[in-house]
Amino acid sequence: SAVISQKPSRDICQRGTSLTIQCQVDSQVTMMFWYRQQPGQSLTLIATANQGSEATYESGFVIDKFPISRPNLTFSTLTVSNMSPEDSSIYLCSAWTGKYEQYFGPGTRLTVT
Amino acid sequence: GENVEQHPSTLSVQEGDSAVIKCTYSDSASNYFPWYKQELGKRPQLIIDIRSNVGEKKDQRIAVTLNKTAKHFSLHITETQPEDSAVYFCAASNRGSARQLTFGSGTQLTVLP
Repeated sequence: SAVISQKPSRDICQRGTSLTIQCQVDSQVTMMFWYRQQPGQSLTLIATANQGSEATYESGFVIDKFPISRPNLTFSTLTVSNMSPEDSSIYLCSAWTGKYEQYFGPGTRLTVT
Repeated sequence: GENVEQHPSTLSVQEGDSAVIKCTYSDSASNYFPWYKQELGKRPQLIIDIRSNVGEKKDQRIAVTLNKTAKHFSLHITETQPEDSAVYFCAASNRGSARQLTFGSGTQLTVLP
Protein backbone atom coordinates (compact mmCIF):
# COMPACT_ATOMS: atom_id res chain seq x y z
CA SER A 1 0.00 0.00 0.00
CA ALA A 2 0.95 3.67 -0.24
CA VAL A 3 1.03 6.20 2.59
CA ILE A 4 -0.41 9.52 1.49
CA SER A 5 -0.27 12.86 3.27
CA GLN A 6 -1.96 16.15 2.45
CA LYS A 7 -1.34 19.71 3.48
CA PRO A 8 -3.12 21.68 4.79
CA SER A 9 -5.55 19.46 6.66
CA ARG A 10 -8.07 22.29 6.79
CA ASP A 11 -8.34 25.94 5.94
CA ILE A 12 -10.79 28.79 6.04
CA CYS A 13 -10.45 31.14 3.08
CA GLN A 14 -12.13 34.28 1.84
CA ARG A 15 -14.03 34.30 -1.40
CA GLY A 16 -12.01 35.37 -4.39
CA THR A 17 -8.75 33.95 -3.07
CA SER A 18 -6.92 30.75 -4.06
CA LEU A 19 -5.65 27.80 -2.06
CA THR A 20 -3.07 25.23 -3.08
CA ILE A 21 -3.33 21.76 -1.59
CA GLN A 22 -0.30 19.48 -1.55
CA CYS A 23 -0.34 15.70 -1.78
CA GLN A 24 2.73 13.59 -0.98
CA VAL A 25 3.05 9.83 -1.44
CA ASP A 26 5.74 7.79 0.30
CA SER A 27 6.62 5.87 -2.86
CA GLN A 28 6.51 6.34 -6.59
CA VAL A 29 3.03 5.73 -7.96
CA THR A 30 1.67 5.30 -11.43
CA MET A 31 -1.32 7.60 -11.17
CA MET A 32 -2.55 10.31 -8.82
CA PHE A 33 -6.09 11.63 -8.70
CA TRP A 34 -7.97 14.49 -7.08
CA TYR A 35 -11.52 14.07 -5.74
CA ARG A 36 -14.03 16.39 -4.15
CA GLN A 37 -16.40 15.30 -1.42
CA GLN A 38 -19.09 17.79 -0.52
CA PRO A 39 -20.61 17.55 2.97
CA GLY A 40 -22.55 14.32 3.39
CA GLN A 41 -21.99 13.37 -0.25
CA SER A 42 -20.02 10.86 -2.26
CA LEU A 43 -16.67 11.37 -3.93
CA THR A 44 -16.48 13.01 -7.34
CA LEU A 45 -13.38 12.79 -9.49
CA ILE A 46 -11.99 16.19 -10.43
CA ALA A 47 -9.00 15.17 -12.52
CA THR A 48 -6.16 12.77 -13.11
CA ALA A 49 -2.77 14.29 -12.36
CA ASN A 50 -0.39 13.19 -15.09
CA GLN A 51 3.33 13.27 -14.45
CA GLY A 52 5.06 15.54 -16.94
CA SER A 53 1.93 16.61 -18.80
CA GLU A 54 -1.33 18.46 -18.27
CA ALA A 55 -3.95 16.97 -16.01
CA THR A 56 -7.00 15.26 -17.47
CA TYR A 57 -10.19 16.87 -16.19
CA GLU A 58 -13.60 15.29 -15.75
CA SER A 59 -16.76 16.85 -17.08
CA GLY A 60 -17.70 19.92 -15.08
CA PHE A 61 -14.17 20.72 -13.92
CA VAL A 62 -11.81 23.07 -15.76
CA ILE A 63 -8.14 23.85 -15.57
CA ASP A 64 -8.64 27.56 -14.90
CA LYS A 65 -10.59 26.77 -11.74
CA PHE A 66 -8.59 23.73 -10.58
CA PRO A 67 -5.03 23.90 -11.91
CA ILE A 68 -3.06 20.78 -11.06
CA SER A 69 0.63 20.04 -11.08
CA ARG A 70 2.50 16.76 -10.82
CA PRO A 71 6.23 17.44 -11.05
CA ASN A 72 7.30 13.91 -10.12
CA LEU A 73 5.97 10.44 -9.29
CA THR A 74 5.36 11.16 -5.58
CA PHE A 75 3.91 14.67 -5.43
CA SER A 76 0.96 16.65 -6.77
CA THR A 77 -0.80 19.91 -6.04
CA LEU A 78 -4.36 21.07 -6.60
CA THR A 79 -5.21 24.77 -6.58
CA VAL A 80 -8.74 25.93 -6.00
CA SER A 81 -8.87 29.33 -7.69
CA ASN A 82 -11.11 32.37 -7.23
CA MET A 83 -13.00 30.56 -4.51
CA SER A 84 -16.67 30.94 -3.72
CA PRO A 85 -18.70 29.41 -0.87
CA GLU A 86 -19.77 26.63 -3.27
CA ASP A 87 -16.17 25.41 -3.25
CA SER A 88 -16.45 24.54 0.44
CA SER A 89 -15.76 20.84 0.46
CA ILE A 90 -13.27 18.15 1.32
CA TYR A 91 -10.60 17.65 -1.31
CA LEU A 92 -8.88 14.28 -1.40
CA CYS A 93 -5.98 13.01 -3.39
CA SER A 94 -5.50 9.36 -4.17
CA ALA A 95 -2.78 7.19 -5.60
CA TRP A 96 -2.85 4.12 -7.76
CA THR A 97 0.24 2.01 -7.36
CA GLY A 98 -0.08 0.17 -10.66
CA LYS A 99 -1.94 -2.91 -9.48
CA TYR A 100 -5.64 -2.47 -8.71
CA GLU A 101 -5.85 -0.77 -5.33
CA GLN A 102 -6.28 2.97 -4.93
CA TYR A 103 -5.45 4.67 -1.65
CA PHE A 104 -6.61 8.02 -0.33
CA GLY A 105 -5.01 10.86 1.53
CA PRO A 106 -6.63 12.23 4.70
CA GLY A 107 -8.30 15.08 2.84
CA THR A 108 -8.27 18.87 3.08
CA ARG A 109 -11.36 20.44 4.57
CA LEU A 110 -11.91 23.80 2.87
CA THR A 111 -14.37 26.40 4.08
CA VAL A 112 -14.91 29.51 1.97
CA THR A 113 -16.48 32.50 3.67
CA GLY B 1 -19.67 7.40 -18.78
CA GLU B 2 -20.02 5.00 -15.89
CA ASN B 3 -22.90 5.36 -13.45
CA VAL B 4 -22.97 3.54 -10.11
CA GLU B 5 -26.13 3.32 -8.03
CA GLN B 6 -26.02 2.23 -4.40
CA HIS B 7 -28.77 1.09 -2.05
CA PRO B 8 -29.85 1.57 0.65
CA SER B 9 -28.74 5.05 1.62
CA THR B 10 -29.12 4.20 5.32
CA LEU B 11 -29.10 0.85 7.07
CA SER B 12 -29.56 0.06 10.74
CA VAL B 13 -28.92 -3.42 12.12
CA GLN B 14 -28.64 -4.99 15.51
CA GLU B 15 -25.21 -6.03 16.67
CA GLY B 16 -24.51 -9.55 15.50
CA ASP B 17 -26.87 -9.37 12.53
CA SER B 18 -25.78 -9.25 8.91
CA ALA B 19 -25.77 -6.21 6.64
CA VAL B 20 -26.02 -6.17 2.86
CA ILE B 21 -25.34 -3.20 0.60
CA LYS B 22 -26.03 -3.40 -3.13
CA CYS B 23 -24.64 -1.53 -6.12
CA THR B 24 -25.36 -1.58 -9.82
CA TYR B 25 -23.15 -0.24 -12.58
CA SER B 26 -23.88 0.75 -16.14
CA ASP B 27 -20.71 0.16 -18.12
CA SER B 28 -20.15 -3.48 -19.02
CA ALA B 29 -16.46 -2.67 -19.55
CA SER B 30 -15.94 -2.03 -15.83
CA ASN B 31 -13.66 -4.68 -14.41
CA TYR B 32 -12.71 -3.63 -10.89
CA PHE B 33 -15.08 -3.03 -7.97
CA PRO B 34 -13.70 -1.80 -4.62
CA TRP B 35 -15.55 -1.05 -1.42
CA TYR B 36 -14.47 1.75 0.90
CA LYS B 37 -15.36 2.43 4.51
CA GLN B 38 -15.32 6.03 5.68
CA GLU B 39 -15.63 6.91 9.32
CA LEU B 40 -16.65 10.42 10.27
CA GLY B 41 -13.86 12.88 9.52
CA LYS B 42 -11.56 10.19 8.17
CA ARG B 43 -10.28 9.17 4.76
CA PRO B 44 -11.99 6.41 2.75
CA GLN B 45 -10.32 3.09 3.51
CA LEU B 46 -10.29 0.20 1.09
CA ILE B 47 -11.86 -2.81 2.84
CA ILE B 48 -12.34 -5.29 0.03
CA ASP B 49 -12.38 -5.41 -3.74
CA ILE B 50 -13.27 -7.79 -6.52
CA ARG B 51 -12.24 -8.11 -10.12
CA SER B 52 -14.52 -9.06 -12.97
CA ASN B 53 -13.01 -12.52 -13.37
CA VAL B 54 -14.16 -13.52 -9.87
CA GLY B 55 -17.71 -14.06 -8.61
CA GLU B 56 -17.11 -13.86 -4.89
CA LYS B 57 -14.39 -12.85 -2.46
CA LYS B 58 -14.32 -13.15 1.30
CA ASP B 59 -12.15 -11.66 4.01
CA GLN B 60 -13.15 -12.70 7.52
CA ARG B 61 -16.57 -11.11 8.20
CA ILE B 62 -16.69 -9.24 4.90
CA ALA B 63 -17.59 -10.65 1.52
CA VAL B 64 -18.31 -9.20 -1.89
CA THR B 65 -20.24 -10.84 -4.70
CA LEU B 66 -20.33 -9.83 -8.35
CA ASN B 67 -22.90 -10.66 -11.02
CA LYS B 68 -21.48 -9.45 -14.31
CA THR B 69 -24.55 -10.42 -16.30
CA ALA B 70 -26.83 -8.31 -14.14
CA LYS B 71 -24.11 -5.70 -13.57
CA HIS B 72 -24.46 -5.61 -9.86
CA PHE B 73 -22.26 -6.30 -6.87
CA SER B 74 -22.91 -6.48 -3.17
CA LEU B 75 -21.11 -6.11 0.15
CA HIS B 76 -21.99 -8.53 2.91
CA ILE B 77 -20.95 -7.97 6.51
CA THR B 78 -21.68 -10.76 8.97
CA GLU B 79 -21.70 -10.65 12.78
CA THR B 80 -21.79 -6.87 12.72
CA GLN B 81 -20.13 -4.92 15.51
CA PRO B 82 -20.58 -1.30 16.62
CA GLU B 83 -17.21 -0.43 15.08
CA ASP B 84 -18.64 -1.39 11.69
CA SER B 85 -20.77 1.76 11.88
CA ALA B 86 -19.59 4.07 9.08
CA VAL B 87 -20.42 5.19 5.56
CA TYR B 88 -19.67 2.55 2.94
CA PHE B 89 -19.02 3.44 -0.69
CA CYS B 90 -18.94 1.10 -3.65
CA ALA B 91 -17.04 2.06 -6.78
CA ALA B 92 -16.35 0.84 -10.28
CA SER B 93 -13.38 1.30 -12.55
CA ASN B 94 -13.74 1.11 -16.29
CA ARG B 95 -10.86 3.04 -17.71
CA GLY B 96 -8.46 0.28 -18.60
CA SER B 97 -5.07 1.22 -17.25
CA ALA B 98 -6.20 4.66 -16.04
CA ARG B 99 -8.07 3.33 -12.99
CA GLN B 100 -10.32 6.30 -12.30
CA LEU B 101 -13.08 5.33 -9.88
CA THR B 102 -16.77 6.16 -10.14
CA PHE B 103 -18.38 6.03 -6.71
CA GLY B 104 -21.83 5.13 -5.53
CA SER B 105 -23.75 7.54 -3.34
CA GLY B 106 -22.84 5.81 -0.07
CA THR B 107 -24.63 3.87 2.66
CA GLN B 108 -24.68 5.01 6.28
CA LEU B 109 -24.51 1.80 8.30
CA THR B 110 -25.43 1.98 11.96
CA VAL B 111 -24.91 -1.06 14.17
CA LEU B 112 -27.03 -0.83 17.27
CA PRO B 113 -25.59 -2.38 20.44
